[in-house]
Amino acid sequence: DSGVTQTPKHLITATGQRVTLRCSPRSGDLSVYWYQQSLDQGLQFLIQYYNGEERAKGNILERFSAQQFPDLHSELNLSSLELGDSALYFCASSAREEDTEAFFGQGTRLTVV
Amino acid sequence: SQQGEEDPQALSIQEGENATMNCSYKTSINNLQWYRQNSGRGLVHLILIRSNEREKHSGRLRVTLDTSKKSSSLLITASRAADTASYFCATDAIKGGSEKLVFGKGTKLTVNP
Repeated sequence: DSGVTQTPKHLITATGQRVTLRCSPRSGDLSVYWYQQSLDQGLQFLIQYYNGEERAKGNILERFSAQQFPDLHSELNLSSLELGDSALYFCASSAREEDTEAFFGQGTRLTVV
Repeated sequence: SQQGEEDPQALSIQEGENATMNCSYKTSINNLQWYRQNSGRGLVHLILIRSNEREKHSGRLRVTLDTSKKSSSLLITASRAADTASYFCATDAIKGGSEKLVFGKGTKLTVNP
């Protein structure tokens, strides 16, 4: 158990809908990362937050947004969903902003039908 | 864009043999990490090597880093069936870069009993 909790574990939704994925980082970790893993694209970095502030942005679509709340949990919002958004979404946390290992949650498997 | 690229994409060996996986990256880094992922599960951190280190050991794992060639290798000695998993390298770019903890597409290792 990494200490990172992601909910829900599985999500099935229709195209055009909006969903929210939730991540609770390890106790004390200030940095949260979001990744998308699909078969054809591998593990894509989406966005990083550190202590509530956005720190780095990767290949995150405009339809996707995220935030980190004062209690350090984070949410990833995916809107206007398309079939191609079906993937595993991982959250990871680390103690510091950089130069440290990241602990991954078990992921949310999103299926868009 | 992917920072790390692992090679080979897939590797199949017999139990007891050594497995070597390589990773190449593009930009200057603070550190490079290796992670393991069992099918459909979260990633587990294996080892971190800093840019000023050339080699690091952890149990049956040996990691090398050549910053002049922008490459790293992960050696698993005396492999076991339980080592079957996908292995990813992840690079932590120099501060100010737009992407943090960027993963390659991974090497899928199969250890046959």
